[in-house]
Amino acid sequence: EVQLVESGGGLVQPGGSLRLSCAASGFTFKNYWMNWVRQTPGKGLEWVANIKEDGSDKYYVDSVKGRFTISRDNAKNSLYLQMNWLRGEDTAVYYCVRDNIDQQLGRFDYWGQGTLVSVSS
Amino acid sequence: DIQMTQSPSSLSASVGDRVTITCRSSQNIPNYLNWYQQKPGKAPNLLIFGASTLQNGVPSRFSGSGSGTHFTLTITSLQPEDSATYYCQQSYRTPQTFGQGTKVEIK
Repeated sequence: EVQLVESGGGLVQPGGSLRLSCAASGFTFKNYWMNWVRQTPGKGLEWVANIKEDGSDKYYVDSVKGRFTISRDNAKNSLYLQMNWLRGEDTAVYYCVRDNIDQQLGRFDYWGQGTLVSVSS
Repeated sequence: DIQMTQSPSSLSASVGDRVTITCRSSQNIPNYLNWYQQKPGKAPNLLIFGASTLQNGVPSRFSGSGSGTHFTLTITSLQPEDSATYYCQQSYRTPQTFGQGTKVEIK
């Protein structure tokens, strides 16, 4: 059974940092692109970042470029999101998501339960 | 960025009704369109990918169609457990973007 379990969320002050982790199991982690997707009541679902199977390529939504860093450890079946210089608009539930790409058609086929990040003073 | 626009934003229908949700993209995205269902307090769940391919385990009353810039999700016979918010998502270009969601309620 595929499982994605996020951790590391919490309350942080503006300008602060958090590191989210995602523990993957039930599939060959090193064979998949992985993503972070966040959700707020106001803006809905927003893709944040993704990382190639071997970690060699990474992409970010413009609003987090230079502040967030996605990484992975395939030996530990783990995905990470280092979030620096946090802002109020980063407040959201953050999901760890597997990207299943078949014949160039990608889809987010497994999602974690989400971890809440609240940025407030 | 490619903008995804869903309509309607919400709808109310009776059990057994046929329900159609529309998703339009601001650019041509061939068939790089996915649909998700989300229930309160839960993560989204993949229903359809590639515009029309049903994900394993999803009931056959769900179907998707369209290509280019216009797509639809149809529920042929609405069931009580289909009460949820539905999102479309394009996977053609980074950043992958989602529609704003359509909330489906049961009368």
